[in-house]
Amino acid sequence: DSGVTQTPKHLITATGQRVTLRCSPRSGDLSVYWYQQSLDQGLQFLIQYYNGEERAKGNILERFSAQQFPDLHSELNLSSLELGDSALYFCASSLGPGEETQYFGPGTRLLVL
Amino acid sequence: GEDVEQSLFLSVREGDSSVINCTYTDSSSTYLYWYKQEPGAGLQLLTYIFSNMDMKQDQRLTVLLNKKDKHLSLRIADTQTGDSAIYFCAESIGRTGANNLFFGTGTRLTVIP
Repeated sequence: DSGVTQTPKHLITATGQRVTLRCSPRSGDLSVYWYQQSLDQGLQFLIQYYNGEERAKGNILERFSAQQFPDLHSELNLSSLELGDSALYFCASSLGPGEETQYFGPGTRLLVL
Repeated sequence: GEDVEQSLFLSVREGDSSVINCTYTDSSSTYLYWYKQEPGAGLQLLTYIFSNMDMKQDQRLTVLLNKKDKHLSLRIADTQTGDSAIYFCAESIGRTGANNLFFGTGTRLTVIP
């Protein structure tokens, strides 16, 4: 158990819908990262937050957004969902600058029908 | 850009050593990681090595880094059936404040009893 929690574990929805994935980092970690794992793209970095502020952006679509709240939990919002958004979405956390080892949550498996 | 490559499959007999290889392209990598993913599960951090080290040993795991050739390997001694999983190498480029990971395709290790 990495100490990173993600909810829900599974999510099934329809095209065009919007969903919110939630992540709670390990106690004491200030950085949160979101990754997408799909069969065709592999594991891809989406976005990073550090202490509430966006720090880095990867291959995140404009239909996707994220935020980190004052209690350091983070949410990833996926809207106008398409079939190709079906994937495993991971959250990871790390302490912050100077201590960047990332610990991953169990993931949220999203299926768009 | 960042490009991390791994062979897709490896089969070994129980009790033998496994060696999983990885090549990367960005010479400014700061840390290199090995993660393990079991079926239906998240990513478990196995070990990592700082880019100024050549070798790191942790119980049955040995990581070798050849920075000149940009080659990383993970050796698992006395491989057990419980080691069957997908193994990902990842590099952290270490841009200021942003240390997102770039992952390889993963190597599926099958341990034959």
